[in-house]
Amino acid sequence: KQEVTQIPAALSVPEGENLVLNCSFTDSAIYNLQWFRQDPGKGLTSLLLIQSSQREQTSGRLNASLDKSSGRSTLYIAASQPGDSATYLCAVLDSNYQLIWGAGTKLIIKP
Amino acid sequence: ETGVTQTPRHLVMGMTNKKSLKCEQHLGHNAMYWYKQSAKKPLELMFVYNFKEQTENNSVPSRFSPECPNSSHLFLHLHTLQPEDSALYLCASSQEVASGAETQYFGPGTRLLVL
Repeated sequence: KQEVTQIPAALSVPEGENLVLNCSFTDSAIYNLQWFRQDPGKGLTSLLLIQSSQREQTSGRLNASLDKSSGRSTLYIAASQPGDSATYLCAVLDSNYQLIWGAGTKLIIKP
Repeated sequence: ETGVTQTPRHLVMGMTNKKSLKCEQHLGHNAMYWYKQSAKKPLELMFVYNFKEQTENNSVPSRFSPECPNSSHLFLHLHTLQPEDSALYLCASSQEVASGAETQYFGPGTRLLVL
């Protein structure tokens, strides 16, 4: 059974720092891995989608990597800003085309 | 705005009440999903509809009853809920179910409190 783990559960850093969020999964049979952002009182917004054949995806200050063989992904945020404060969720699309989710990392960027 | 709307945004109900959650997507998608998000737990997939047909029911108790009258609308009918059903209920849509190349688009959710 696929399990997704995100570490740390919470992270607080000063504005301007670069940071890395981690995601691990137990079964490498995935179609893709996705990173989402969730703001309080709002739904989820897709940030990056990495296909199983890809190694990384970039969007602005965000870079996500995927190492399927080791079951790991990282989300790198460069030059963090207070507006980056949110909960970041990692999910893998499993062999049944279902998204399996991690519990998230709550990120706080201090001005 | 993601193109997926949910009503109501907040709901308080007693265990004997009957209520319904509504989701509407304006994206022309063919797949719609209900998820449950409890505090500090991963999202749990509840139901999946693809082209109006239910394709997934993840062992959800019968007190939750989904309805998908067309590809743009999805309902979740609630009756005789328990306090542990209190959670954020999220609706999502995607172009279709079996696609590894596209993401899902989420509504803002309905915050449900069962007293």
